[in-house]
This record gives sequence, structure tokens and C-alpha cells, in this order.
Amino acid sequence: AQSVSQHNHHVILSEAASLELGCNYSYGGTVNLFWYVQYPGQHLQLLLKYFSGDPLVKGIKGFEAEFIKSKFSFNLRKPSVQWSDTAEYFCAVMATSGTYKYIFGTGTRLKVLA
Amino acid sequence: GAVVSQHPSWVICKSGTSVKIECRSLDFQATTMFWYRQFPKQSLMLMATSNEGSKATYEQGVEKDKFLINHASLTLSTLTVTSAHPEDSSFYICSASEDSLGGSYEQYFGPGTRLTVT
Repeated sequence: AQSVSQHNHHVILSEAASLELGCNYSYGGTVNLFWYVQYPGQHLQLLLKYFSGDPLVKGIKGFEAEFIKSKFSFNLRKPSVQWSDTAEYFCAVMATSGTYKYIFGTGTRLKVLA
Repeated sequence: GAVVSQHPSWVICKSGTSVKIECRSLDFQATTMFWYRQFPKQSLMLMATSNEGSKATYEQGVEKDKFLINHASLTLSTLTVTSAHPEDSSFYICSASEDSLGGSYEQYFGPGTRLTVT
């Protein structure tokens, strides 16, 4: 069965610090990969996605993620975080065959200190 | 483009009553819609997948008779929580996807509905 692991459950950073959130998945086939952000009291917003091609994907608000197939990883990065990045971040994986269901990771709660 | 709405955004109901939540794709035809449940400070758990005109496919552990899903048109799916109990209080989120020639079945998420059962 597919699964997604986000190892960092809570992260606290100061403004301007660099961010890297881990995401690992288990699935032997081809996948599409996503990172979503959920700001306090708001709904899910897509940060970036990977379907194919360049494994380094750039998203909105200065975020990027790198798909490393050999490591089954899709880590999210941002060189310099802002207070407004305080939110919960979810990694999601979708198999490209079968049911096309998303499997979400448990989420990482990021707090950025001003 | 690709906007999904949900109604209501929040609802309070009494234990034993039923509540219907609507999910609409506003600017595209959604061949597939998904219903998730999110507990406080937790991730999204898929409840069921529905395809227009056919019965929903429920995830293991989700009661079909309690969470009735109808996907009657390409732009509307409804989730009815029957005989609601306080433990059904949660944040319910729908998403919708459309078939694409490229094989991308990206989901677009609604804003969610917060259900509180008293």
C-alpha cells in the first residue's frame, strides 16, 4: 500500500532562516507529487507539483521541491522564510494508475518567529 | 480556473439529525470528486471517491450508510451525514478532478465545511 511520511511534525524557525521539509513515499510505480499549504483558518492551497520532467520544481511564494526517485523523496525547500509562511504543509502522492487517489502525509506545522 | 466551492462553510446540528454538504466545481466538469475528513491538527483522510453517475467507493472503515455520497452531475457532489453524533464533528473537505488527455488527474480542493454536532 502507498504511504507518505513527513518526518518533521513541528518546525520553528526565525525569519530569514532556510527551510527544508522532508517527504518520503512508498510506492513502486510512477507517481505525481504535490505540496500543499494550509494557512490558519484557510483551505488547502497548492504550492507546487511534479508530474514529469525536471525533478527540481519551482512553486509559488519562493518554494521549490526536488524529486529524487532513488530516494523516494520530494523535499520542500525555501531559502529564506518569512513570518507569513507560518502554516501547515502537506505532502501528497498520487499513483498514476489505478484509482488516482491522493495519499497525504501527516503534515508539518511550521512556525516562523518574527 | 479550477475553482471548487462548498456549502455551507460551517454548520451546527443536533445529535440525531442529518446534514447535507454540497461540493461544486464552478468552471470545469468534475468526472471524479473526493471527500476527505480532517481532524484538528491532523492530516486529510480520504473518505470516499465518487464518479458521476455511479456509486461512490468508500475507504476502509468509512460507514457507507452513515456518509451518503451522491454525484448526480458533473459539477455537483453531496455528502450527507446521517444521524449525526458528536464524534462526527470535523472538517469535511471535497476535491474535484477532471480527466485530461495528459493523464493528469490533479485534484482541486474546496474550502471545507466545519461540522459541529451538539
